Amino acid sequence: GAVVSQHPSWVICKSGTSVKIECRSLDFQATTMFWYRQFPKQSLMLMATSNEGSKATYEQGVEKDKFLINHASLTLSTLTVTSAHPEDSSFYICSALRGLGAYEQYFGPGTRLTVT
Amino acid sequence: AQKVTQAQTEISVVEKEDVTLDCVYETRDTTYYLFWYKQPPSGELVFLIRRNSFDEQNEISGRYSWNFQKSTSSFNFTITASQVVDSAVYFCALNGGTSYGKLTFGQGTILTVHP
Repeated sequence: GAVVSQHPSWVICKSGTSVKIECRSLDFQATTMFWYRQFPKQSLMLMATSNEGSKATYEQGVEKDKFLINHASLTLSTLTVTSAHPEDSSFYICSALRGLGAYEQYFGPGTRLTVT
Repeated sequence: AQKVTQAQTEISVVEKEDVTLDCVYETRDTTYYLFWYKQPPSGELVFLIRRNSFDEQNEISGRYSWNFQKSTSSFNFTITASQVVDSAVYFCALNGGTSYGKLTFGQGTILTVHP
């Protein structure tokens, strides 16, 4: 099956610093990737759609200047949390679309971010 | 707008009991996909099933079965003879045909199976 990796799997950073999370499709090309956020004991909420070669599309309420998304190649999307604050502590999960349609969507293992 | 509702926040059963997780969805799309995912404590989502809106056949995979009823907009999931390893959070999700890959997740059901 298709594999999506995320790096790092967990990260602790200090308030005010920035942290970058990578999402890679290891054995397929993905023109579209998604970033989700999951707070403890809550559901996954879509943050943004990352499109290779173009600007990301953010969901309502997500600050695009705070959550910078770059999809520079067909196998890599990055999410940078800028000027992180404790309330940004969450589980961030990416997914990658292989081909058209959600039935070919593969999730990464997630990155747990803790901001102290 | 799309919406997925999982009415049960938490379910607790004893091993070998059958358990059904409910999922009700809302969408204006005529073509859509429904999913179930399992999220164990590790956090990684495990894909269980995908069903498109034109296929109302029920499906069985081992101890798992799914009942899709368009008339009631429901896509329920049953685990037969539950096991401790089934303990996890289960999410129902929806992708509308016009949403191009975006998934709307339900709130999740925490299933605890006691030995």
